[in-house]
Amino acid sequence: EVQLVESGGGLVKPGGSLRLSCAASGFTFGSYTMNWVRQAPGKGLEWVSSISRSSSYIYYADSVKGRFTVSRDNAKNSLFLQMNSLRAEDTAVYYCASQWLASFDVWGQGTMVTVSS
Amino acid sequence: SYELTQPPSVSVSPGQTVSITCSGDKLGDKYACWYQQKPGQSPVVVIYQDTKRPSGIPERFSGSNSGNTATLTISGTQAMDEADYYCQAWDTNTAGVFGTGTSVTVL
Repeated sequence: EVQLVESGGGLVKPGGSLRLSCAASGFTFGSYTMNWVRQAPGKGLEWVSSISRSSSYIYYADSVKGRFTVSRDNAKNSLFLQMNSLRAEDTAVYYCASQWLASFDVWGQGTMVTVSS
Repeated sequence: SYELTQPPSVSVSPGQTVSITCSGDKLGDKYACWYQQKPGQSPVVVIYQDTKRPSGIPERFSGSNSGNTATLTISGTQAMDEADYYCQAWDTNTAGVFGTGTSVTVL
């Protein structure tokens, strides 16, 4: 079964850091560009970052550029998102998603990040 | 930055057809896709590359994209289709962009 499972969310104070992980199974992880997408409570979807198969190409939304860092370990079928200098507006459910033919074809269940004092 | 605009909500009677629009500058020059999200669940792609349906997505879902507008059409709408729908495209192939989202109510 194709599956993505996020972990690492939680409550963090403004200015703090958090590292999210996404474990992939059931498909050849290293063959796919991977993405992070977030959704603030009651709001729409927001693309956060993408990383190519070999990590050669990495892109970020302007809202997180300079604060978030995406990485992957193909040997361990894992995707990561290091989030620094967190703000209240970063509060959201964070999804990892695989990318195929310009769409996000497989999504994880999401992990909640709450930034609050 | 690139923006995609959708109507906030639409309603439809069971068995009828509903269309959801997604507007963006020269959107027809890009590939558009559509996601369905039910409460408490992760999004699911229902249309990719403008018109294609992933396996397992019912034939009643169809898509088109031309000019500045992409459209998702649900024919013979069922109660189970009640959900939020988001369009999505890529800005210069490097930045993902989602539409503002449309809530579909089946009355």
